[in-house]
Amino acid sequence: AQRVTQPEKLLSVFKGAPVELKCNYSYSGSPELFWYVQYSRQRLQLLLRHISRESIKGFTADLNKGETSFHLKKPFAQEEDSAMYYCALSGRFGNEKLTFGTGTRLTIIP
Amino acid sequence: GAVVSQHPSWVICKSGTSVKIECRSLDFQATTMFWYRQFPKQSLMLMATSNEGSKATYEQGVEKDKFLINHASLTLSTLTVTSAHPEDSSFYICSARDPLLAGATGELFFGEGSRLTVL
Repeated sequence: AQRVTQPEKLLSVFKGAPVELKCNYSYSGSPELFWYVQYSRQRLQLLLRHISRESIKGFTADLNKGETSFHLKKPFAQEEDSAMYYCALSGRFGNEKLTFGTGTRLTIIP
Repeated sequence: GAVVSQHPSWVICKSGTSVKIECRSLDFQATTMFWYRQFPKQSLMLMATSNEGSKATYEQGVEKDKFLINHASLTLSTLTVTSAHPEDSSFYICSARDPLLAGATGELFFGEGSRLTVL
């Protein structure tokens, strides 16, 4: 069974401070990992995916297969980063479903 | 990016009635769409995978007869909550991938969601 765990429901960080949102997963195979973000009153949207190895809005996430983690990081938080963040996982083959973690609400303190 | 649209955005109904929610892919064709349910301040729970031209695949614990899914065309999937009860009140979200943009395992595009309140 596939599972995604986000241990922190709430996270508050001061503006300019580093941010790390934790995500661990369980999957028997090679998964695809994603971070989705939901800003206030907006629909869920993709932030980044591990296979792209890109930085979006200053965020990065590295897949650590040994620790089965995919933590989201940003060196300097900005007020506009306040949102709900979901880590998600799917298999690599076919049009597979996406399993979400419980989400972390990030609040940036001015 | 691809656009997924849901209708209605919100609906209020009486207990015992049925409610239909539509999910459309506006600028792409989707052979598969996914229906999620989100309770307040909780995560998205996958209910079922809607397959164009065939039966939907339901997740464990989701009642097939309660939540009827129809995917009659490549751009439309519908979720009907039958004989709705107050405990069915929730936020229902659909999503789909654009195979031309991101491949079969790529980005999911989400609808804006439909809030159902059953009185």
